[in-house]
Amino acid sequence: QSALTQPRSVSGSPGQSVTISCTGTSSDVGGYNYVSWYQQHPGKAPKFMIYDVSQRPSGVPDRFSASKSGNTASLTISGLQPEDEADYYCCSYAGSYTWVFGGGTKLTVL
Amino acid sequence: QVQLEESGGGVVQPGRSLRLSCVGSGYTFSSYAMHWVRQAPGKGLEWVAVISYDGSDKYYADSVKGRFTISRDNSKITLYLQMNGLRTEDTAVYYCARPLRYFETYNFDYWGQGTLVTVSS
Repeated sequence: QSALTQPRSVSGSPGQSVTISCTGTSSDVGGYNYVSWYQQHPGKAPKFMIYDVSQRPSGVPDRFSASKSGNTASLTISGLQPEDEADYYCCSYAGSYTWVFGGGTKLTVL
Repeated sequence: QVQLEESGGGVVQPGRSLRLSCVGSGYTFSSYAMHWVRQAPGKGLEWVAVISYDGSDKYYADSVKGRFTISRDNSKITLYLQMNGLRTEDTAVYYCARPLRYFETYNFDYWGQGTLVTVSS
């Protein structure tokens, strides 16, 4: 149950796009289409942003999109806004009713 | 609307026990599996445990297996986490989380506000 690998930080200017990667193995990210993404502002609970690799829950802006290729999932945020500054976590089902999160990525909007 | 509210956190000495609770309202609690997820101070999220909708199936992260027990009382719409043999590395905010679909366990769409557990002598 090793954590998925995410970059520690990414940054972008308002209006730009950024992509956050999430690398696992064939036992988690690569093996199942149950990757989800969460946004977390300081002192707050995580917020559900993406499910089933690329699906967006209602209420999440379409600026947020996601995909998966092999053992790596990616979250792309386009048209960056100041309120997007937060920590982002990926999560994958890892089989046998276990789940694994990424280490988290701090997004800074310059 | 769906609400999850944790309680029971506090300061406890290493080796002692603590029980966390999570009340789920605004939805049919008894139809959904439930998870516990924790976050050590300044660290990332870590999945802890899951329980099926009726409490018959329970699964744990290796880091807590044999020490923590997840349970639920659907009549009280409450999820529990019994934590025994606590270690300093168990210090974290503990969140309960609900899966997106009632017939699945994936994708945590609702989270509580968290309850802080501090293990320290």
